[in-house]
Amino acid sequence: EIVLTQSPATLSLSPGERATLSCRASQSVSSYLAWYQQKPGQAPRLLIYDASNRATGIPARFSGSGSGTDFTLTISSLEPEDFAVYYCQQRGNWPRTFGQGTKVEIK
Amino acid sequence: EVQLVESGGGLVQPGGSLRLSCAASGFTFSNYWMHWVRQVPGKGLVWVSHISSDGSITSYADSVKGRFTISRDNAKNTLHLQMNSLRAEDTAIYYCARDVSGSYIPWGHGTLVTVSS
Repeated sequence: EIVLTQSPATLSLSPGERATLSCRASQSVSSYLAWYQQKPGQAPRLLIYDASNRATGIPARFSGSGSGTDFTLTISSLEPEDFAVYYCQQRGNWPRTFGQGTKVEIK
Repeated sequence: EVQLVESGGGLVQPGGSLRLSCAASGFTFSNYWMHWVRQVPGKGLVWVSHISSDGSITSYADSVKGRFTISRDNAKNTLHLQMNSLRAEDTAIYYCARDVSGSYIPWGHGTLVTVSS
């Protein structure tokens, strides 16, 4: 089973700042990595698929990069609605696995 | 609008059973693999099970293998998860999700399963 490790666990930032979230895989997943956003009381929402492709309707301030074992989700300028928990998920191997999440909180 | 709506959660005693359902609408259900993912409140996401578009292929996480059964009724656009021999550690919110090229979109709102005496 591929283990995804996200860092940091918590990111404290102010609106307008840049957020950089990391996801590291225990073995290569090629570009088969997705990012989800989850707000309290809500289901996760797909942001990025296959490492760098924005899902339909996702603002351009969200971008993804990386391949192999190291991936990054960047939020260029945080909006108030972006404070949430973010998860990475790999589809390179079965079973599909998720990272433990990074909480982006208001500083 | 593509929509998934779960139902069937609730409080059950250890050793008991529950059957979750997920009603799909807004897309051709029979064309997609479907998954169940669970989340202990306040914790991370864990894949539970998946089923192929025609129901011929199923898979389970080791933690539920032999106790849970995934199935689908393509005529009724419905996904099911039969959960037997429930344990306290099965307590979680259960989400159904559509598989689109390996990513999950959308997710249902989730249904809470609580296993407690």
